[in-house]
Amino acid sequence: GAVVSQHPSRVICKSGTSVKIECRSLDFQATTMFWYRQFPKQSLMLMATSNEGSKATYEQGVEKDKFLINHASLTLSTLTVTSAHPEDSSFYICSAGPGGFNEKLFFGSGTQLSVL
Amino acid sequence: KNEVEQSPQNLTAQEGEFITINCSYSVGISALHWLQQHPGGGIVSLFMLSSGKKKHGRLIATINIQEKHSSLHITASHPRDSAVYICAVPSNTGNQFYFGTGTSLTVIP
Repeated sequence: GAVVSQHPSRVICKSGTSVKIECRSLDFQATTMFWYRQFPKQSLMLMATSNEGSKATYEQGVEKDKFLINHASLTLSTLTVTSAHPEDSSFYICSAGPGGFNEKLFFGSGTQLSVL
Repeated sequence: KNEVEQSPQNLTAQEGEFITINCSYSVGISALHWLQQHPGGGIVSLFMLSSGKKKHGRLIATINIQEKHSSLHITASHPRDSAVYICAVPSNTGNQFYFGTGTSLTVIP
């Protein structure tokens, strides 16, 4: 089955630094990938839709300059948390699917970000 | 009002019990997804269904499009079934998903 790989699984960084999270589709091409944020005991919150070769679409309230998304190829999307602050600490997870919304969803394993 | 409502929020069951998790949605959909999130955070897609019923092992998912309601059943529950179960539906515009808040299931040996 389709696999989505996300890296790193856990990162601890100092306040003010930037952190890059990678999301790769391993055996299919993903023109669209989704980035979510999840706080403890809460459901997934869509942050942005990553579109290959074009600008990402951000959800209301998500700062595009804070959360930089690059989808440079059909198999890789990256989310960079710039100038991270403790309030950015969260679980970030990506998803993609070879067939869109009416096909099975595949999720990365998630990245737990802790900003000190 | 959320587009997707799940119940119950938390569920504790004895091993072997039959479990039902419910999902109601308010948007028109082409498909509904049931997801399983384990304590480590990883999410696995269990089912994608647009009508009727699907079965995979001890898991059964049903959907009633007219009533905008879906259920996830687990037969002969096992401690390894302990996880958060989330239902998700695509938005009308098809450019994002709406997620339920999840049902946290704990199966006690």
